[in-house]
Amino acid sequence: AQTVTQSQPEMSVQEAETVTLSCTYDTSESDYYLFWYKQPPSRQMILVIRQEAYKQQNATENRFSVNFQKAAKSFSLKISDSQLGDAAMYFCAYKAQETSGSRLTFGEGTQLTVNP
Amino acid sequence: AAGVIQSPRHLIKEKRETATLKCYPIPRHDTVYWYQQGPGQDPQFLISFYEKMQSDKGSIPDRFSAQQFSDYHSELNMSSLELGDSALYFCASSLVGRTNTEAFFGQGTRLTVV
Repeated sequence: AQTVTQSQPEMSVQEAETVTLSCTYDTSESDYYLFWYKQPPSRQMILVIRQEAYKQQNATENRFSVNFQKAAKSFSLKISDSQLGDAAMYFCAYKAQETSGSRLTFGEGTQLTVNP
Repeated sequence: AAGVIQSPRHLIKEKRETATLKCYPIPRHDTVYWYQQGPGQDPQFLISFYEKMQSDKGSIPDRFSAQQFSDYHSELNMSSLELGDSALYFCASSLVGRTNTEAFFGQGTRLTVV
């Protein structure tokens, strides 16, 4: 079974600074998808960024970027120019190659605090 | 753009009662997922449906059942409720076969069992 591990229960960053959240996963599959979801206090699950395992290029979405190391099974999220609105719980998630509704497996989450 | 709709948003039930949670996926999405998130925990996968057939099953108690209807909406039925069932229940939907196959989440149903 696939597992996802986030070893940082809590992280903090100063506004406008950069922070990196770590995630490792375990799988025997060669094709899969990785995601970072954000869960603010409203508890809505919001997709931040996605990465297809077959793509070597790291995904980027505005201030959010990932460092995907397939051989090391590592998938970290970098947030640049941190803003107060970035404060939330961040979940790393794994999804097998889509066939017919494969599940998302989440890590334990990292609570990010942004200090003004 | 239309999102995943869950109802009700909040539900309070007594122990041993039954609850039904509803999920309306994004139009044309063919897959629905149900997740349970306890306080301070990550979402746990319960069950999923693809084209109205159960496609994957996780840690769903036998007291729970779910189905996807012809209009693609899904219902999660929970019987003999226990205090430990108190949680946030998410529904998500996706479209199989898309390159960017992310799941879009609803706002969740907060179930409180007293």
